[in-house]
Amino acid sequence: GQQLNQSPQSMFIQEGEDVSMNCTSSSIFNTWLWYKQDPGEGPVLLIALYKAGELTSNGRLTAQFGITRKDSFLNISASIPSDVGIYFCATPEETSGSRLTFGEGTQLTVNP
Amino acid sequence: DSGVTQTPKHLITATGQRVTLRCSPRSGDLSVYWYQQSLDQGLQFLIQYYNGEERAKGNILERFSAQQFPDLHSELNLSSLELGDSALYFCASSVSSGANVLTFGAGSRLTVL
Repeated sequence: GQQLNQSPQSMFIQEGEDVSMNCTSSSIFNTWLWYKQDPGEGPVLLIALYKAGELTSNGRLTAQFGITRKDSFLNISASIPSDVGIYFCATPEETSGSRLTFGEGTQLTVNP
Repeated sequence: DSGVTQTPKHLITATGQRVTLRCSPRSGDLSVYWYQQSLDQGLQFLIQYYNGEERAKGNILERFSAQQFPDLHSELNLSSLELGDSALYFCASSVSSGANVLTFGAGSRLTVL
């Protein structure tokens, strides 16, 4: 099955800093999704990308669909304490198109 | 509130026991998915139902089973529980079987002692 390699595994930053994380695979995808999981909650969709090269923003978050279609990037600018959580990339399963495969997540800690 | 309701939120039980986790999908969503999140692991897909029928199966153990009822709520049954079954179990829903944007519930935390 498809495997998503997400990095870094964890990040410890100061409030106000910018954050970058990425997700790569050996497979080509038509959709990349980024979810955030707050402590004690379920994942919530942040950004959906549907086209190679696409750059989409959601507030201080910006995500890009890689040109090769094998990777995606998420950037957070001017981080704040509520950005703390686990960020997951995800792609639809190739055959069914519905079930999602998730990366292993990037744990973000923001120090005030 | 995502609109996906999961109960119970927390559950503590002993090895060998059986538990049932319940999920009510978001209004209008016909498809329900179950995911398992163990400590230090990502989200592992277990099973998907669409309008009452099983649509896709992931790495779900034979000791686990699920169903979706006519009112579209779903139940995940976990039996002969082992310590390693301790995890967060998430339910997600989508409007169709082919939708790739899932809405997740808050999860049920199962602890097996």
